[in-house]
Amino acid sequence: QVQLQESGPGLVKPSETLSLTCTVSGDSVSSGAYYWSWIRQHPGKGLEWIGYIYHSGSTYYNPSLRSRVIISLDTSKNQFSLKMTSLTAADTAVYYCARESDYYSSGSYYTWFDPWGQGTLVTVSS
Amino acid sequence: SSELTQDPAVSVALGQTVRITCQGDSLRSNYASWCQQKPGQAPVLVIYDKNNRPSGIPDRFSGSRSGNTASLTITGAQAEDEADYYCTSRDRSGTVVFGGGTKLTVL
Repeated sequence: QVQLQESGPGLVKPSETLSLTCTVSGDSVSSGAYYWSWIRQHPGKGLEWIGYIYHSGSTYYNPSLRSRVIISLDTSKNQFSLKMTSLTAADTAVYYCARESDYYSSGSYYTWFDPWGQGTLVTVSS
Repeated sequence: SSELTQDPAVSVALGQTVRITCQGDSLRSNYASWCQQKPGQAPVLVIYDKNNRPSGIPDRFSGSRSGNTASLTITGAQAEDEADYYCTSRDRSGTVVFGGGTKLTVL
């Protein structure tokens, strides 16, 4: 059974950098079969995809966050991480990590997330 | 703003059939997946690929696509199906996008 678990600070000050880690069990971030993603959800709102990293280290970010986000891999610990800079109150959200399946066939993209971590609430406040 | 549009709220009588829709230009070529989120919990995948269900998801959940609209159908809705439902796909630039979510109430 594949499980993902987020960890990191629950409170971050404005203008500072958020660092979150996702620990994967039951699968390997090095396998190449999946992408490893971060997604967030503002309080009472919908889901927002932040970006993903592939086993090769290649990344793809949401254009709206690209300038502030870095996702990295630590294969020795079977983890991947999110760094987000220049935080404001608008970054207050539950942050989820998830395993992303993504393929292209016959002119169509197929994308889904399974499983998800339980999520971690990050509050940006002084 | 999301490039995938969902109705904010839908209701269904217990045991009846409900369709939750997701509209967007990118759905003319790409397929949507669907996840279910109950209050205070992480989302759970319910439909992926064209119309596949992960292990443990009841067969009353099904997915389809027509034109620019993807649909999640629950045939014989149960009380435990009351939740928020989100569609997911890629937009024309290749960025993953989520619909705004639909709150399903089972009456």
